[in-house]
Amino acid sequence: DTAVSQTPKYLVTQMGNDKSIKCEQNLGHDTMYWYKQDSKKFLKIMFSYNNKELIINETVPNRFSPKSPDKAHLNLHINSLELGDSAVYFCASSQGGPTYNEQFFGPGTRLTVL
Amino acid sequence: AQSVAQPEDQVNVAEGNPLTVKCTYSVSGNPYLFWYVQYPNRGLQFLLKYITGDNLVKGSYGFEAEFNKSQTSFHLKKPSALVSDSALYFCAVRGTDSWGKFQFGAGTQVVVTP
Repeated sequence: DTAVSQTPKYLVTQMGNDKSIKCEQNLGHDTMYWYKQDSKKFLKIMFSYNNKELIINETVPNRFSPKSPDKAHLNLHINSLELGDSAVYFCASSQGGPTYNEQFFGPGTRLTVL
Repeated sequence: AQSVAQPEDQVNVAEGNPLTVKCTYSVSGNPYLFWYVQYPNRGLQFLLKYITGDNLVKGSYGFEAEFNKSQTSFHLKKPSALVSDSALYFCAVRGTDSWGKFQFGAGTQVVVTP
């Protein structure tokens, strides 16, 4: 059983388009995250939700809009895609906010903007 | 503010030799420290963590890490490396007063040669 799943795995699109990435976790966790991993493998947090409430919102262009319909899902919508948005996007989940629990990562979505 | 430094971009080791991947950190408050591994085209997998107590922490796949408060370090070690340990390793830190936010290091590529 997949703990954290993301769809799609690959996404190739043209500049200016709007796209969404979906994430689901079946671990019963209450906190979910979106990370961006660039071509140099640097991992940067973008957003975090705890119990459907936004708790971390890093310096991310407002073209990126997360949405958490319930504790098990965290989707990422990106408007007006730019070349610099090309990266691998990882969803993760953990139990609790201010705790020491580790995060579980999804397999990633490789976004290529042409 | 919190930060993590992984001073080596790449570590090369022969199979059967000891493996060490270095990590130093800076946080306000007490640190929660983590190691993750990323295999090609995969998400990050949790290896081990330090919360409190014993400075030597044992984790998955024969890895261990030693917490050194005076040197603010949390180096990852394996007594005898395997070719299958070749991967990208990330150190991460979270301060006890940083709600939900992990800071990841830049990653260290480990190459184990037969």
